[in-house]
Amino acid sequence: EAQVTQNPRYLITVTGKKLTVTCSQNMNHEYMSWYRQDPGLGLRQIYYSMNVEVTDKGDVPEGYKVSRKEKRNFPLILESPSPNQTSLYFCASSYRGLSYEQYFGPGTRLTVT
Amino acid sequence: GENVEQHPSTLSVQEGDSAVIKCTYSDSASNYFPWYKQELGKRPQLIIDIRSNVGEKKDQRIAVTLNKTAKHFSLHITETQPEDSAVYFCAPGGKLIFGQGTELSVKP
Repeated sequence: EAQVTQNPRYLITVTGKKLTVTCSQNMNHEYMSWYRQDPGLGLRQIYYSMNVEVTDKGDVPEGYKVSRKEKRNFPLILESPSPNQTSLYFCASSYRGLSYEQYFGPGTRLTVT
Repeated sequence: GENVEQHPSTLSVQEGDSAVIKCTYSDSASNYFPWYKQELGKRPQLIIDIRSNVGEKKDQRIAVTLNKTAKHFSLHITETQPEDSAVYFCAPGGKLIFGQGTELSVKP
């Protein structure tokens, strides 16, 4: 089954404790990205990757890191989480960039206390 | 940068009525115009999309129309059903920026 998976689905952590949210897709998609979703603000892109070893900042990259060592995986790293990073996070992938359907993962609800 | 606006932000209709949501964008280079549906607690999913060389596309009860000159595209849902209740996002391509969404409520 073609899908995007994320782990964990829910996470409660404390300020400053490094965490990683994993994202994996099995569709051989070149493009992957991370979004955060906050009430009233819609979906905002954090980082994206056009292909392996190619990443770039989205609209709200501060406080986040990513890597793309393999085509299928695109982890999101919060090295020192803060309460303002409490949000719902979605990973997405597409065949090749922005002009193709985005397939979203199930979401990760993160709470930073 | 790209400016995307959706109207209305909330929409309530009776079951069986039609619903129309409009998305206005600023980047004239955009050439891909998708609409996503997000049900409560779930991930966004593409419901229909259109490319700039086409003015209208229809898929059963859902249609999208594009006016490139005026820089807007609209989602049309006919014969609405309660399961159409969700938040709908437009995301004009080129640079993928989602609008803030329209919350559609279909009352039985």
